[in-house]
Amino acid sequence: GENVEQHPSTLSVQEGDSAVIKCTYSDSASNYFPWYKQELGKRPQLIIDIRSNVGEKKDQRIAVTLNKTAKHFSLHITETQPEDSAVYFCAAMETRYDKVIFGPGTSLSVIP
Amino acid sequence: EPEVTQTPSHQVTQMGQEVILRCVPISNHLYFYWYRQILGQKVEFLVSFYNNEISEKSEIFDDQFSVERPDGSNFTLKIRSTKLEDSAMYFCASRGSPEAFFGQGTRLTVV
Repeated sequence: GENVEQHPSTLSVQEGDSAVIKCTYSDSASNYFPWYKQELGKRPQLIIDIRSNVGEKKDQRIAVTLNKTAKHFSLHITETQPEDSAVYFCAAMETRYDKVIFGPGTSLSVIP
Repeated sequence: EPEVTQTPSHQVTQMGQEVILRCVPISNHLYFYWYRQILGQKVEFLVSFYNNEISEKSEIFDDQFSVERPDGSNFTLKIRSTKLEDSAMYFCASRGSPEAFFGQGTRLTVV
C-alpha cells in the first residue's frame, strides 16, 4: 500500500521568511496530493491540493510542486506569518483505491 | 458552507465498554472515512465506506471496529470492548471529487 514520508518533522522560521516541506510517496499509481493544516486541537483543513497531471499550483502565499518521476511533492509557504504556525500534513491518494494516506506531519513554528 | 459534523466532541468511557461515534457527512458526498490520531502523532486511516459497504480498511480496523450508515445522513463508528490504547482523536471525513473534508473530531478517552 501507499507510504508517505515527510520532512522535516519540525521547522522554525522567522516571520517573513519562506518555509518548505517535502514529501515522498511510494505508490506510482497515486494521482492526487492534498495538503492539510492542523492547528492545535482542531480538525485537519485542506489548504491546497495538486493532481498528477499538473506540476505546480499556487494560491496566494502557498504553492505546491509535484515531480511524478521522482515521486516527490513539496509545499512552499512564502512571507510566513505567525498564524501559519501549525502542523502540516501531506497526503496521497490513488482515487481508484479511495483512501487518503497521510504523511507523519511537520510542525511549523513562525517566530515573530 | 457545508461541513462534516461529529458528535460527541468528547467521550470518556470505561475500559471494556462499547462506544459509538457519530458523523454527519456533507450531503452530496459519496465517500466516507474514519481516521484516528493519537495525541501528537500522524492521522491514521481506519476505513473507507462507499455505496453502503466498506471499500478499504487498514490493519488497525480489526473485529473490534465496525461502521454503519443507519440512515441517509449518519455515519457511525462502533468500537467494542474499548482498550486504553484506543484513546485518541477520531476524525470522520467525507469526500467529493476528490477533496476530502474532515469533521472536528471526537476525543475518546478510555479510563
